[in-house]
Amino acid sequence: QSVLTQPPSVSAAPGQKVTISCSGSSSNIGDNYVSWYQHLPGTAPKLLIYEDDKRPSGIPDRFSGSKSGTSATLGITGLQTGDEADYYCGTWDSGLSAGQVFGTGTKVTVL
Amino acid sequence: QLQLQESGPGLVKPSETVSLTCTVSGGSITSSSYYWGWIRQSPGKGLEWLGSLSYGGTNFYNPSLKSRVTISGDTSRNQFSLKLSSVTAADTAVYFCARLILQHLAHDHWGHGTLVTVTS
Repeated sequence: QSVLTQPPSVSAAPGQKVTISCSGSSSNIGDNYVSWYQHLPGTAPKLLIYEDDKRPSGIPDRFSGSKSGTSATLGITGLQTGDEADYYCGTWDSGLSAGQVFGTGTKVTVL
Repeated sequence: QLQLQESGPGLVKPSETVSLTCTVSGGSITSSSYYWGWIRQSPGKGLEWLGSLSYGGTNFYNPSLKSRVTISGDTSRNQFSLKLSSVTAADTAVYFCARLILQHLAHDHWGHGTLVTVTS
C-alpha cells in the first residue's frame, strides 16, 4: 500500500550507529521534502527530522537525515535503549497517490 | 504548548459511519500556516494518511479513501472531525490527529490516538 519502502528492521548494540533507508520515486521523495518520525506503540508519533535534514527543537543531534535523488536516510548514532521504536519516513506525493505518504516503517532494536 | 486529543466511539458496526473529533488546545485551527489531518495505523501495519483540513484553502484526501472520508472543522470549539463512511473490518485501526506545518510539509504535533474497532 505504501509507496515508500523501508527495511522492516535494523538492530545494533548500545552506543553503535544504525541507518534506515527510505526509497521512493521522482513524484514523492524526488520532488518534496522528507520527514522522519519515531513511534513507540501507545504513544503519539514524534517528529525527528523535517525538510530532509533539519531537527526540531529538543531533538538530539544523534539523529540525522539526508536525501539523495529518490532516497532518504535516517541515521541514529550513540544508540540508546530508549531509541527502540518504529521509525517512519514521510513526504508528499505529487503523482497518482497525491497527498501525504509514509514509509512501510522500520523497527529499531537495541541489542 | 499545543496539544491534540482524539475522541470517539471505540466500537463501530460494519457499514456504519464512524465519527472522530480532535480537540486542539494551545493553538488555533484557523491559522493559515497549518493543516490539520487524520492518520491511522491498522494492527501490525504502518501509518496511512487519510486527509488534511485547511482553513481558507483546499482540503486534501487520500485518493484511495476519498469517496468515504470527510474532514471538517468547528472553529467555535477549536476542533476538527473525521467522518469515515461504510466501514469494514479493514478500517479497524488507531486513528491519530496531527498538525501539519505547511512550510515544512511535516506533522509536528500528534495526538496519542484512539482505537476504533469495526465489529458486528
